[in-house]
Amino acid sequence: GEDVEQSLFLSVREGDSSVINCTYTDSSSTYLYWYKQEPGAGLQLLTYIFSNMDMKQDQRLTVLLNKKDKHLSLRIADTQTGDSAIYFCAESGDYKLSFGAGTTVTVRA
Amino acid sequence: GAVVSQHPSRVICKSGTSVKIECRSLDFQATTMFWYRQFPKKSLMLMATSNEGSKATYEQGVEKDKFLINHASLTLSTLTVTSAHPEDSSFYICSAETSGGAGETQYFGPGTRLLVL
Repeated sequence: GEDVEQSLFLSVREGDSSVINCTYTDSSSTYLYWYKQEPGAGLQLLTYIFSNMDMKQDQRLTVLLNKKDKHLSLRIADTQTGDSAIYFCAESGDYKLSFGAGTTVTVRA
Repeated sequence: GAVVSQHPSRVICKSGTSVKIECRSLDFQATTMFWYRQFPKKSLMLMATSNEGSKATYEQGVEKDKFLINHASLTLSTLTVTSAHPEDSSFYICSAETSGGAGETQYFGPGTRLLVL
């Protein structure tokens, strides 16, 4: 089955860049996604990348995809306190999304 | 953007009772809706996929008689937790799928926190 792995915690100073890493095993993934979950809330889609792309930039967010190594990363530039949340990567398999366990990002002043 | 709502946002019930959770796509029609369960500090676990007008497809290990799903229209799916027990306490999240030029994307509801006493 599909397997998506992420590191569980990341602490970053306000104003620095955050990099969240994710690896996946399903080579047939069509899209890969990054979601943000704030405490007690549902998931907010941040960005996604098509599997034939290697980079996508959207304002402060940069997604890098290494399809050969099945490695996905999300870089948040100029991290703010409002970026503190859990970030999930997900890949789309046959008909469903498979999620990683989530990376808790804590932004310290 | 596409908005998905859930009702209620929070529910407390006694063991043995049934609880219904609604998931609505507010500004788009969703042919497919998904129900997830999230345990504390854990990832989302897909419970079932719901298509309008047909029976839901349940993931392995999910009891379909326990978690009843009805997808009555293109904008509404309901999850009923029957004869709830404390181990059913969890955060339940639905999502609705829309297809567009950039590919299919799931939009998530805000979640429903269920506590069974």
